[in-house]
Amino acid sequence: QQQVKQSPQSLIVQKGGISIINCAYENTAFDYFPWYQQFPGKGPALLIAIRPDVSEKKEGRFTISFNKSAKQFSLHIMDSQPGDSATYFCAATTNNAGNMLTFGGGTRLMVKP
Amino acid sequence: DTAVSQTPKYLVTQMGNDKSIKCEQNLGHDTMYWYKQDSKKFLKIMFSYNNKELIINETVPNRFSPKSPDKAHLNLHINSLELGDSAVYFCASSQDPNTQETQYFGPGTRLLVL
Repeated sequence: QQQVKQSPQSLIVQKGGISIINCAYENTAFDYFPWYQQFPGKGPALLIAIRPDVSEKKEGRFTISFNKSAKQFSLHIMDSQPGDSATYFCAATTNNAGNMLTFGGGTRLMVKP
Repeated sequence: DTAVSQTPKYLVTQMGNDKSIKCEQNLGHDTMYWYKQDSKKFLKIMFSYNNKELIINETVPNRFSPKSPDKAHLNLHINSLELGDSAVYFCASSQDPNTQETQYFGPGTRLLVL
């Protein structure tokens, strides 16, 4: 049972465009939603994270939008650059889960020059 | 300096063998994790240790045995390797398991079982 569903599996965007990756979760106990970025041959690295008490969080070109009632959240990458080409994972965790991350299936983003 | 390091980077072995992967973190964190990333890139937690004590064991076969000699190290020993064990194994660490801290991942160990 996949508790965090991520779409699309792959995404191709032109340089300067907006990349949008969506995630949906089932467990209403989740209360922390990080996004991790993974480059080929490397480990995942935290990109940005949000808690459900806010509907949006922005850091530079990266924005998380959060819809608690729909149990959905998304990552928007504005002005996408070829250097953003990577695999992106949404994740979720609860406060009493030993910081155990449940990951979505990943989205492979390619930004074309 | 590398924050979370793993050795070896690549591991190719035959079915039935026993192998170990080592992980070390120099971040002073109390909690360490092992994740498995399969061929479809799906990431799943296997174990978590806090101050050398096991706190998460996600129904991993008992052929997998983590060992934490101190809080800076978490090694993974795998007995009787099977084809399905082929994957990338990531070690990670964070400061406190009771707060939702950032997890810092190592570069991964690519295991191929033939």
